[in-house]
Amino acid sequence: GAVVSQHPSWVICKSGTSVKIECRSLDFQATTMFWYRQFPKQSLMLMATSNEGSKATYEQGVEKDKFLINHASLTLSTLTVTSAHPEDSSFYICSARDPGLQQAFFGQGTRLTVV
Amino acid sequence: GEDVEQSLFLSVREGDSSVINCTYTDSSSTYLYWYKQEPGAGLQLLTYIFSNMDMKQDQRLTVLLNKKDKHLSLRIADTQTGDSAIYFCAESISSAAGNKLTFGGGTRVLVKP
Repeated sequence: GAVVSQHPSWVICKSGTSVKIECRSLDFQATTMFWYRQFPKQSLMLMATSNEGSKATYEQGVEKDKFLINHASLTLSTLTVTSAHPEDSSFYICSARDPGLQQAFFGQGTRLTVV
Repeated sequence: GEDVEQSLFLSVREGDSSVINCTYTDSSSTYLYWYKQEPGAGLQLLTYIFSNMDMKQDQRLTVLLNKKDKHLSLRIADTQTGDSAIYFCAESISSAAGNKLTFGGGTRVLVKP
């Protein structure tokens, strides 16, 4: 299947700082990418849908000013957690849709710990 | 509305078959998926089925879809210890932002030697 690379795989940051997570589709062009958040032993919660060249569509309850999403190219979307707080600690996973296969492939996930 | 439900846990002996069940509520879903997640990792697509099919087999995996009852199952034949993981079913639903996936809560499968 197609490959989606997410970086970093884990990050520890101090409260009040910002963290950027990258999601790249390595062997296909993804017009749409998705960002999810997963709490321990829970399912994935969709945060936002990112379309290349346009503003992201955020799910209800997700603060767009806190979770900045940029999808500047067909192979890269970034999620920036701004002014991070301990409650933002979570596992963040991106996925990219391969339009040719009509399937979404997932990155390895990023474990964010805010101290 | 969107609601996908799965049982929380399944224990199975190595070599036996595993059956993971999933129910969904949105009848407009086009594709239904099964993903596998190992600890600390992302999701791996195992298989998927188009909503106008009722069965799909792929090596050890068999997917059954009962669209009338909105019930999806994944059968793993000859379950191995490496199959221990969390399995998520998901439905693909069209939205203004494009097709998006709604996930079930995940079924933790434990394979005992």
